[in-house]
Amino acid sequence: QLQLQESGPGLVKPSETLSLTCTVSGGSISSSSYYWGWIRQPPGKGLEWIGSIYYSGSTYYNPSLKSRVTISVDTSKNQFSLKLSSVTAADTAVYYCARELATKVLIVFDYWGQGTLVTVSS
Amino acid sequence: EIVMTQSPATLSVSPGERATLSCRASQSVSSNLAWYQQKPGQAPRLLIYGASTRATGIPARFSGSGSGTEFTLTISSLQSEDFAVYYCQQYNNWPPALTFGGGTKVEIK
Repeated sequence: QLQLQESGPGLVKPSETLSLTCTVSGGSISSSSYYWGWIRQPPGKGLEWIGSIYYSGSTYYNPSLKSRVTISVDTSKNQFSLKLSSVTAADTAVYYCARELATKVLIVFDYWGQGTLVTVSS
Repeated sequence: EIVMTQSPATLSVSPGERATLSCRASQSVSSNLAWYQQKPGQAPRLLIYGASTRATGIPARFSGSGSGTEFTLTISSLQSEDFAVYYCQQYNNWPPALTFGGGTKVEIK
């Protein structure tokens, strides 16, 4: 059974960089037809897609966050990571990593991590 | 950016009754629409993709319909475990700019 687990600091200071890692177990991050994505959810609010990466390193990002986001992959560790720079209180959210089933006709998130709360505060 | 609008924000339904949730896209997304269910403290779960295809393991009481800009998720007979928040998500265009709706909370009446 595929499992994803987010890890990283739960508290980040304003203007600093938020860094999270997602570890994939029970399957290979190098599987074809799958991207790997990050989605966030501010407390009590809806879902916002941040960006996605293929095992080759190909990425695509939410245009509204693109200037601050970097997603990378480490196939040797079966992990992918998120960096979000210049954070403010508005970036406080539960951050989820997820497997993205991506074909020419389908882009959906079929496996999710449990999520990790990141609070931006001094 | 394609904006997804869900209605109503909250739906009060009695167990055993039918629930009908709506999702509207600001421009056509063809049938490139998915639905997710999220329970408190849990990650979302994929229910429907391609507007009407149930994901693996999803009960038949969940059904999706629509195309273009208007979509519907129907839960034919609500069970206790169905009370949750439901989100739609579009995946039109390439490179995709994936967007979610604001969610509909289905609560016990």
